[in-house]
Amino acid sequence: GAVVSQHPSRVICKSGTSVKIECRSLDFQATTMFWYRQFPKQSLMLMATSNEGSKATYEQGVEKDKFLINHASLTLSTLTVTSAHPEDSSFYICSASPGVYGNTIYFGEGSWLTVV
Amino acid sequence: AQTVTQSQPEMSVQEAETVTLSCTYDTSESDYYLFWYKQPPSRQMILVIRQEAYKQQNATENRFSVNFQKAAKSFSLKISDSQLGDAAMYFCAYEGGSEKLVFGKGMKLTVNP
Repeated sequence: GAVVSQHPSRVICKSGTSVKIECRSLDFQATTMFWYRQFPKQSLMLMATSNEGSKATYEQGVEKDKFLINHASLTLSTLTVTSAHPEDSSFYICSASPGVYGNTIYFGEGSWLTVV
Repeated sequence: AQTVTQSQPEMSVQEAETVTLSCTYDTSESDYYLFWYKQPPSRQMILVIRQEAYKQQNATENRFSVNFQKAAKSFSLKISDSQLGDAAMYFCAYEGGSEKLVFGKGMKLTVNP
């Protein structure tokens, strides 16, 4: 079946540095991918919609300069957390679908980011 | 904007028993999809069941079934013959045509042996 792969699964970075998280659709093309953030014991919060070949669409309250999203190809979207701070520590998860409304949406395995 | 409400933060059920998880939503659209996702401790989001709003028949997947009441904007999940592996966070979600999911706050299900 279709799979969305996310890497790295866990990353620790120093405060002030940048870290990149990749989201790949392994056997289908995804013109749109989504990035979510999940705080402990909370639900998934949509951060942004990643559009292949164009700028990402950010949800209200999400800093676009801190969370850079690039959707360079139909199978890869990246989330870069820039100048990371401890409050950016969280679980980040992406999703993608083959693009047909109502089609199954697949999630990556998620990435734990810890900023020290 | 669409909203999804899961009013029960936690529930428990005895193994082999049946449990129903509630979910309500708010939307002005007539065509949409509703989902139940399961998130075990691994954090992987697993699709449990999906319901298309224009279909009156309730979706069923093995031990999982839904009670979809469109007029009441209610979408409950029934788990029959509960198993230990069903223990997880369960999220109700809405999709209104943009592939963008709106999630409820989630509910933690504990299955007691």
